[in-house]
Amino acid sequence: QQQVKQSPQSLIVQKGGISIINCAYENTAFDYFPWYQQFPGKGPALLIAIRPDVSEKKEGRFTISFNKSAKQFSLHIMDSQPGDSATYFCAASLKGSGGSNYKLTFGKGTLLTVNP
Amino acid sequence: DAGVIQSPRHEVTEMGQEVTLRCKPISGHDYLFWYRQTMMRGLELLIYFNNNVPIDDSGMPEDRFSAKMPNASFSTLKIQPSEPRDSAVYFCASSFRGQSYEQYFGPGTRLTVT
Repeated sequence: QQQVKQSPQSLIVQKGGISIINCAYENTAFDYFPWYQQFPGKGPALLIAIRPDVSEKKEGRFTISFNKSAKQFSLHIMDSQPGDSATYFCAASLKGSGGSNYKLTFGKGTLLTVNP
Repeated sequence: DAGVIQSPRHEVTEMGQEVTLRCKPISGHDYLFWYRQTMMRGLELLIYFNNNVPIDDSGMPEDRFSAKMPNASFSTLKIQPSEPRDSAVYFCASSFRGQSYEQYFGPGTRLTVT
């Protein structure tokens, strides 16, 4: 129930195309869903996040779509660029002790390659 | 701000040796997290601290692993004795209570145990 399942493992997209990464979860106690981006040799960095009471959130070329009934959420990268090539992790947050959300459960990651 | 600082960046050691990884969180952040990243298991939360106090160590794999946070600006993760299966990249991250969902990760320590 603690898992977040992410697919695909890897994705190759042409420049200008749309990249789509999907995640699914079981635990309905998860209440915050961030996406992290990781470049080689670096730590992950927060990209965009959504709460389950919102069905979509858009920031620039990045959009999260959230389907609460299906317990699924996805990241869409519009007009993908070679600079977007990185590993993307979905995550889900549970309330830790004290009632605040600090524990993140990460998906296994998707290696995105955007060809020029 | 320099961000989260980790040292060393790379560590190669022999099985059975003690390994100490170090982390300096972002000034003012009151939460500190230690993660381990491997190809097989992805990113795993090992332990996290709030105001220097360990809150949840349920992710610590076994007694060979220990973590301390003696003050707000320093934490260590120690493995004693180390084993080849401990080879991984270890990340430290910090966050501020008011922005609890955004964790700032350090560059990681790549540990190789031979």
